[in-house]
Amino acid sequence: GAVVSQHPSWVICKSGTSVKIECRSLDFQATTMFWYRQFPKQSLMLMATSNEGSKATYEQGVEKDKFLINHASLTLSTLTVTSAHPEDSSFYICSARVWVNTEAFFGQGTRLTVV
Amino acid sequence: GENVEQHPSTLSVQEGDSAVIKCTYSDSASNYFPWYKQELGKRPQLIIDIRSNVGEKKDQRIAVTLNKTAKHFSLHITETQPEDSAVYFCAALSLMEYGNKLVFGAGTILRVKS
Repeated sequence: GAVVSQHPSWVICKSGTSVKIECRSLDFQATTMFWYRQFPKQSLMLMATSNEGSKATYEQGVEKDKFLINHASLTLSTLTVTSAHPEDSSFYICSARVWVNTEAFFGQGTRLTVV
Repeated sequence: GENVEQHPSTLSVQEGDSAVIKCTYSDSASNYFPWYKQELGKRPQLIIDIRSNVGEKKDQRIAVTLNKTAKHFSLHITETQPEDSAVYFCAALSLMEYGNKLVFGAGTILRVKS
């Protein structure tokens, strides 16, 4: 299957700093990538849909100024958590699809801990 | 928008028994329903999916059934093994104006006791 690579796999940062997470599709072009947040023992909550060359579409309740998404190329999307606070600590996962109505491939996730 | 409900939240079975997880969805326009398995701290992995033009699909010990009229779909795992223990998520593809997105169920923690 297609490979989606996400980096870093874990990061610890100080409160008030910003953290950038990268999501790359290694062997296919993804016009659309998705960013999820997952709290312990909970489901995947979609944060935003990232479209190459255009602004991301954010889900209701997700602060677009807090979670900056850039999809500059067909193989790379980034999520920047700005001015991180302890409540932003979570597992962030990206996914990408080759076509609509087909399998979504997930990155390995990033465990963010804000201290 | 799409709403996906998943039951049960936890399921314990004896090794060799079958496990069934059920999901319902709200959007009759949804046409793609994948199931993902997620082990602790790892990425979700697709285990099986079904499209709305099919009522049942099987892959070895795993099967999925879809009832479009009732808007529910189920995952069936037969001859369960300890390595089947994980969290399982169902999802439905929601058709939006700006694109399509997967809406996930809350997940089922499956424990297979040996």
